[in-house]
Amino acid sequence: DTGVSQDPRHKITKRGQNVTFRCDPISEHNRLYWYRQTLGQGPEFLTYFQNEAQLEKSRLLSDRFSAERPKGSFSTLEIQRTEQGDSAMYLCASSHRGLGNEQFFGPGTRLTVL
Amino acid sequence: AQSVTQLDSHVSVSEGTPVLLRCNYSSSYSPSLFWYVQHPNKGLQLLLKYTSAATLVKGINGFEAEFKKSETSFHLTKPSAHMSDAAEYFCVVSNSGYALNFGKGTSLLVTP
Repeated sequence: DTGVSQDPRHKITKRGQNVTFRCDPISEHNRLYWYRQTLGQGPEFLTYFQNEAQLEKSRLLSDRFSAERPKGSFSTLEIQRTEQGDSAMYLCASSHRGLGNEQFFGPGTRLTVL
Repeated sequence: AQSVTQLDSHVSVSEGTPVLLRCNYSSSYSPSLFWYVQHPNKGLQLLLKYTSAATLVKGINGFEAEFKKSETSFHLTKPSAHMSDAAEYFCVVSNSGYALNFGKGTSLLVTP
């Protein structure tokens, strides 16, 4: 399977715990994006990377959120001190700037904070 | 500022009848517009995109959309609905070249 993969697919945690999600983009895609989707809403942009550089962060990305893409390949999204309002589907997408920049989405990680 | 408004949260059609999903956009610049589909438990899939080359855009699975600048609309249509078209559809606008701004979605129900 050469699509975008995300791990885990589901995560249940207690309020106050830290969680980390991983995204593996399509091979050789130089751009990687994170979005958040809550029930009944469309996805909302959180942040994006070009290679290993984080070039843009939404105001939705509070200080408790941090994203990395250390070698320009996979990316991690960490949420510290989770709150119930963090419960959502976290989507990762990747694209290649030189190939039309179409964003291909992964299946998402569903986070439930109890 | 850029945004999209999907005018219907739910649309129900009978199999074999036409589909119309409505979207209006707001953008200060010449926008890129997209339609994505999300099937249950599957990732978002690009149906089609408009990037100013042609106002009538053809996508996958028989869908197409027409960009109308005077009406600031980008409605999605399909001549004949199939049961497999039942899904959530998102109209999307982007000016930045990276961030996609999604509408709230339209849930399409196809009845036999």
